[in-house]
Amino acid sequence: GQQLNQSPQSMFIQEGEDVSMNCTSSSIFNTWLWYKQEPGEGPVLLIALYKAGELTSNGRLTAQFGITRKDSFLNISASIPSDVGIYFCALIISNFGNEKLTFGTGTRLTIIP
Amino acid sequence: GAGVSQSPRYKVAKRGQDVALRCDPISGHVSLFWYQQALGQGPEFLTYFQNEAQLDKSGLPSDRFFAERPEGSVSTLKIQRTQQEDSAVYLCASSLQGMRREAFFGQGTRLTVV
Repeated sequence: GQQLNQSPQSMFIQEGEDVSMNCTSSSIFNTWLWYKQEPGEGPVLLIALYKAGELTSNGRLTAQFGITRKDSFLNISASIPSDVGIYFCALIISNFGNEKLTFGTGTRLTIIP
Repeated sequence: GAGVSQSPRYKVAKRGQDVALRCDPISGHVSLFWYQQALGQGPEFLTYFQNEAQLDKSGLPSDRFFAERPEGSVSTLKIQRTQQEDSAVYLCASSLQGMRREAFFGQGTRLTVV
């Protein structure tokens, strides 16, 4: 299957710090998605990127689609307690015309009081 | 509510038992997806429905896994003769049209096989 490498696996930060995580793929893709999953919940879409080089913000979150189309990063500025959760990058994979999501392994964000 | 609803939230099954997991998608959503999420991993695709048609079942791990959506709305994922490696969270997602529109996920069913 598609190789989707996400790093770091986990982060322990203090409230107010900025966070950065990234994903790389082994192939070129046209769409990068970033999701957040909180305990006991399903993933929720944060940001969708459709164009190489695209930089998109959603509040304190900023994501970029790499110009090589094989990578993406997500930044969170001035972290707050509700940012805790697992962040996943995802790609849309086409299988005989049917599209599906392939997820990275996730970055677990913990905020130290 | 207006979101994707899954039931039960938790299921404990003895090894060898059959289980059925239910998904109520958002009303009017044509596309429905099932994903399996093992502990500490990202969700992995199992199967995809467009209305009542199962268009992609390439992710189902074995013939013990079966999914249906007979009326193009509610879907059931059935696992026969459960094994310990089936323990995972099973997530359902729905969208207006494939992945061209945002897919919304349910809370999942956590299956534990003992």
